[in-house]
Amino acid sequence: AQKITQTQPGMFVQEKEAVTLDCTYDTSDPSYGLFWYKQPSSGEMIFLIYQGSYDQQNATEGRYSLNFQKARKSANLVISASQLGDSAMYFCAMREASGGKLIFGQGTELSVKP
Amino acid sequence: DVKVTQSSRYLVKRTGEKVFLECVQDMDHENMFWYRQDPGLGLRLIYFSYDVKMKEKGDIPEGYSVSREKKERFSLILESASTNQTSMYLCASSYKLGQGDDTEAFFGQGTRLTVV
Repeated sequence: AQKITQTQPGMFVQEKEAVTLDCTYDTSDPSYGLFWYKQPSSGEMIFLIYQGSYDQQNATEGRYSLNFQKARKSANLVISASQLGDSAMYFCAMREASGGKLIFGQGTELSVKP
Repeated sequence: DVKVTQSSRYLVKRTGEKVFLECVQDMDHENMFWYRQDPGLGLRLIYFSYDVKMKEKGDIPEGYSVSREKKERFSLILESASTNQTSMYLCASSYKLGQGDDTEAFFGQGTRLTVV
């Protein structure tokens, strides 16, 4: 069954340092997509980065990169050079090509310290 | 700009009332989703629709139903609202995976529903 797990309810990071947010998933579909979203205190859901299951390279978008380890079924988000504005909830999500359902993990609350 | 619009930002309803939450998207997306968000539980999928009049149950469909009569509109219905349905409700839409230039889901601003 399709499943997404984020095991870190909360994380702290010092400004300008890098941080890794963990995400593991489970699926029997060979074709799927993995997503990360940011939700600041304002409540909007902001799409950050996408990784397709057949993509050979890890996805990168500016300061965000996705450490995709297919055999381990993990899709960790790495934020480099953290900024105060990165303080937010971060959600990992997965969509199977066959089913189409988009499911989310429990989220990780990131706090960036000055 | 892609837009997903939810009909209300805040809603207060009484126990037992029938409640309609409306969601409209303007990107001709096939997929539409309804989630509820509760602290510590993340976003939980209530229902999903992949085409007009087509729907699939998510992880927590009990107490909810949905309607999709037109491609751009997806309604969530609480048949008889209860206090445990007090939550933030988020609607989203997307292309089917592998179609279109955009693969991500776009979200509405959310509806904070309080059932008293």
